[in-house]
Amino acid sequence: QQQVKQSPQSLIVQKGGISIINCAYENTAFDYFPWYQQFPGKGPALLIAIRPDVSEKKEGRFTISFNKSAKQFSLHIMDSQPGDSATYFCAARLTNTDKLIFGTGTRLQVFP
Amino acid sequence: DAGVIQSPRHEVTEMGQEVTLRCKPISGHDYLFWYRQTMMRGLELLIYFNNNVPIDDSGMPEDRFSAKMPNASFSTLKIQPSEPRDSAVYFCASSLLWGVDTEAFFGQGTRLTVV
Repeated sequence: QQQVKQSPQSLIVQKGGISIINCAYENTAFDYFPWYQQFPGKGPALLIAIRPDVSEKKEGRFTISFNKSAKQFSLHIMDSQPGDSATYFCAARLTNTDKLIFGTGTRLQVFP
Repeated sequence: DAGVIQSPRHEVTEMGQEVTLRCKPISGHDYLFWYRQTMMRGLELLIYFNNNVPIDDSGMPEDRFSAKMPNASFSTLKIQPSEPRDSAVYFCASSLLWGVDTEAFFGQGTRLTVV
């Protein structure tokens, strides 16, 4: 089934803490795993992405961890800031297609 | 470039009426995607085009939904007749040569309310 499961649905973190959002996919071949960030009233925007041949990718405070055998990947936000408060979507692209399948989203709130 | 432009930003209509959502992709982009966002289902891909040609419309929920791309700079998503369950935020996105590392650029969305 072409599905990406995302958790948690919402997350509250104190400023300076670590935010962790998890995604898992099922028996389907995907070749690209981006994360999108969406602020209220705006469209999603690409945050960071990873290919399945890499286990980890870091860009500043944002890190993707990828476990190919478990079909799981996660986003870690280190030193979370109030400006990180947004909805985060994981996604996966079906191999040899142009279809990007999104998770249901995680609403992150970072309090000072 | 101003990015992907969608209009209107908000639309309130009565059940049974026809609704047309509009999108202007980023100039030079080959791919155009229509997504629908709801709290329950998140972001769902409805249809996408490559070089103005519809490639996959398997996400279009019913025959009431139709999409066109008459040229490289304009696309429409039409719902006729509209129903309250169509209420959602509809996003248009475009990308250049959709490959492994390509980014999809989203518009600001159209919030549709069907009463």
